[in-house]
Parts: sequence; structure tokens; C-alpha cells
Amino acid sequence: AAGVIQSPRHLIKEKRETATLKCYPIPRHDTVYWYQQGPGQDPQFLISFYEKMQSDKGSIPDRFSAQQFSDYHSELNMSSLELGDSALYFCASSSARQNSNTEAFFGQGTRLTVV
Amino acid sequence: QKEVEQDPGPLSVPEGAIVSLNCTYSNSAFQYFMWYRQYSRKGPELLMYTYSSGNKEDGRFTAQVDKSSKYISLFIRDSQPSDSATYLCAMSEGFQKLVFGTGTRLLVSP
Repeated sequence: AAGVIQSPRHLIKEKRETATLKCYPIPRHDTVYWYQQGPGQDPQFLISFYEKMQSDKGSIPDRFSAQQFSDYHSELNMSSLELGDSALYFCASSSARQNSNTEAFFGQGTRLTVV
Repeated sequence: QKEVEQDPGPLSVPEGAIVSLNCTYSNSAFQYFMWYRQYSRKGPELLMYTYSSGNKEDGRFTAQVDKSSKYISLFIRDSQPSDSATYLCAMSEGFQKLVFGTGTRLLVSP
């Protein structure tokens, strides 16, 4: 079965550069979530989208923005990168239409290293 | 205080043992409860999903939710070395963000 696809898997950027992370949800999933996981930390919610509209916002810095496109894929844009942005970034998807449940399936993540 | 509390471990058990993993939470609005398994540098893998209180069994895994005590558990029977991973509990109020515990690192020795 198709899973959540994230790209790239690894990304190295310098301070003050920008980065774009992409997420392709499971087919027919309408909701996308972005999480940031630092070393030894639990995933922290950043932002979510339902049907291409922002549905919730967590601890996402103002330097970050995200959107969900008409094909339901999502992109997380990160500007003015800081060393502290180095982390694993996970995307998860779920379907609010199917079975009225909230099972969220995660991608393999993008490891961002800021040097 | 975090909304979801989970002992980080590590929890070391011999192969074949029954493992008990637990989380407590403070938000009484949580209705959906999940357990994820995460191997090092991999994405969280959904193991169990439960709505409201009750038990759910899937193979060697059993999830329990006690909303009155704000306490959830995951039991793993006949644990295997391949079960060695970090286990994250997560919960949500509905079609909203998941709130995670810190994860418990489990080590199953042969």
C-alpha cells in the first residue's frame, strides 16, 4: 500500500539559507500534518492542513510557512535557517472523510542539518 | 507539566517477556489514543488506534484506555528482539494535531 512520501530524505543547509520540504500524503487522504522531532525528543506539532486550508497551528516559527496544494501534497518552507532548526521533520496524513477516524500515518521524514 | 507523560526508559526485558508501556495525560478532551513504534531515524509507525475507553487487541499487542484515570497502556506479549524500538503514545481531541509522549525506549535481549 502507498505510504506518505517525503522528499528529500536528507538535506544539509547553511545558516540563513532556505529549505523546502515536500510531503505527498497517502492517496485520498485530505489532511496533512507537519512535525519537528529534535534528537531524543518527541515529535512537536508545527502545522496542519485540511482540504488545502490551514486547520491548526502549533509551535511553528514565523520563519516557516507551509501550504497544501490542489493535489493535496504539502510543502514546508523554512527561511533564515538557524542551527537549532536541525531536526527530523515528519509529515503525516489522515482522512477526515473515511471512517470518521483520525489515524495518522507518518512518512519516513526529512533529516535537516543546518551547518 | 506536559499534557502527556511517558517514562522515557530504557526498559530492558528478556525475549519472551510481557512488556507494559504506559502514558498518563491531563487533557480530558482527548478521545483518540494511538501507539506508535519508532526505530532509530525512521518515521513513527502506527501500531494501535483506540477511540475512547476500552481494550483493543491485535496479535501480540493489546491497547487499553482508561479515561476515568487518564491512563493508557500498551502490552506486548512474547516480546522479540525485533520489538526493540522507541514506543510513543499519542492522543488527540479529534481531527486535530496529535500530542505525543516523550517515548519509551524498549530493549528486548535474546
